[in-house]
Amino acid sequence: AQSVTQPDIHITVSEGASLELRCNYSYGATPYLFWYVQSPGQGLQLLLKYFSGDTLVQGIKGFEAEFKRSQSSFNLRKPSVHWSDAAEYFCAPGGGADGLTFGKGTHLIIQP
Amino acid sequence: NAGVTQTPKFRVLKTGQSMTLLCAQDMNHEYMYWYRQDPGMGLRLIHYSVGEGTTAKGEVPDGYNVSRLKKQNFLLGLESAAPSQTSVYFCASSTSGNTEAFFGQGTRLTVV
Repeated sequence: AQSVTQPDIHITVSEGASLELRCNYSYGATPYLFWYVQSPGQGLQLLLKYFSGDTLVQGIKGFEAEFKRSQSSFNLRKPSVHWSDAAEYFCAPGGGADGLTFGKGTHLIIQP
Repeated sequence: NAGVTQTPKFRVLKTGQSMTLLCAQDMNHEYMYWYRQDPGMGLRLIHYSVGEGTTAKGEVPDGYNVSRLKKQNFLLGLESAAPSQTSVYFCASSTSGNTEAFFGQGTRLTVV
């Protein structure tokens, strides 16, 4: 069965510091991979996606993610976080008719 | 530029009451989904549909029913609400199971 793990429930980062959010998946084949962001009280917005090709993908708001097949990982990074990045982040592999499988999320807190 | 619209945005029900949540999308997507979001649990798939007239069970279907009579609409019904169904419900749509899903703003349901 497919599954996804986001090991960090909460992460606190100082404004201006770099960020890495971890995501590991278990799939029968290489899945399509997505990262979504959810601001408080809002729906989910797509940050970036990986289908094939270049393993480093760029997204909106200065985010990027790297697909590592050998580690079954798709970690999200940002070189310098802003206070507005405080939100919930979800990793979601997909590929079947039932759509995306969501991780439990990582809550990002930005310290001034 | 509506995208995915959910109705209502908030609702309080008494135990045993019934209600229907409506999801409408204007992107001509084949696939539609209903998720519930609970603290620390991420998004869990309730039911999904791969086209007009079709529905299928997701991870947590018990206590819910769905219908997809028109391609643009996906209804989620609770026949006899229980406090365990207190949650935030999200609808999403996509062109297929491995493409980006577009989300509505959510419905916050409280069952007392």
